[in-house]
Amino acid sequence: GENVEQHPSTLSVQEGDSAVIKCTYSDSASNYFPWYKQELGKRPQLIIDIRSNVGEKKDQRIAVTLNKTAKHFSLHITETQPEDSAVYFCAASPNSGGYQKVTFGTGTKLQVIP
Amino acid sequence: DTGVSQDPRHKITKRGQNVTFRCDPISEHNRLYWYRQTLGQGPEFLTYFQNEAQLEKSRLLSDRFSAERPKGSFSTLEIQRTEQGDSAMYLCASSFSGQGLNTTEAFFGQGTRLTVV
Repeated sequence: GENVEQHPSTLSVQEGDSAVIKCTYSDSASNYFPWYKQELGKRPQLIIDIRSNVGEKKDQRIAVTLNKTAKHFSLHITETQPEDSAVYFCAASPNSGGYQKVTFGTGTKLQVIP
Repeated sequence: DTGVSQDPRHKITKRGQNVTFRCDPISEHNRLYWYRQTLGQGPEFLTYFQNEAQLEKSRLLSDRFSAERPKGSFSTLEIQRTEQGDSAMYLCASSFSGQGLNTTEAFFGQGTRLTVV
């Protein structure tokens, strides 16, 4: 089955700096890669996703990149703000938008220091 | 609140007891998923329904776990003879999947936190 590894497990950045979270996956059949943000005690919320026919996607301060050859994908947050502090999960799925086979990474706890 | 709702939010039970959780998805969503999340880990897929049909079950779902979605709307997840290892957050999510259309994103509920003592 799919195995998703995520690094780092914790990340502290100064407000205004950039944060990068990296993930690798093992199943070459995976073609859909969502990223979730989970604040303490709250539900996971989709913040951005990317499909395998695209190498990069950007939404305001958030961008994701995908390297299918290397089976790497990354989340980039620029101009970080204290409200970005949360746990971020990457995930991979062989079904585009099909959440039944989503495999999540172990999460990155991001702390943005004011 | 028109999002995914789960009940109860918290459940403490003694080992060996049975527990049942309920999930009400977003009304127009035909797919419903159950996940389990333990501390410091990402959600793990348990099972999912398309309307009332349970289409897939993870190997994580032992015989003590059963899920139903009798009318294609709300779903229940029952755990029989609970064990301490069942302590976790149980998350429900829903999405819409239409023929010829991409599946919408999955929206998660706030989860039911189970503690088995």
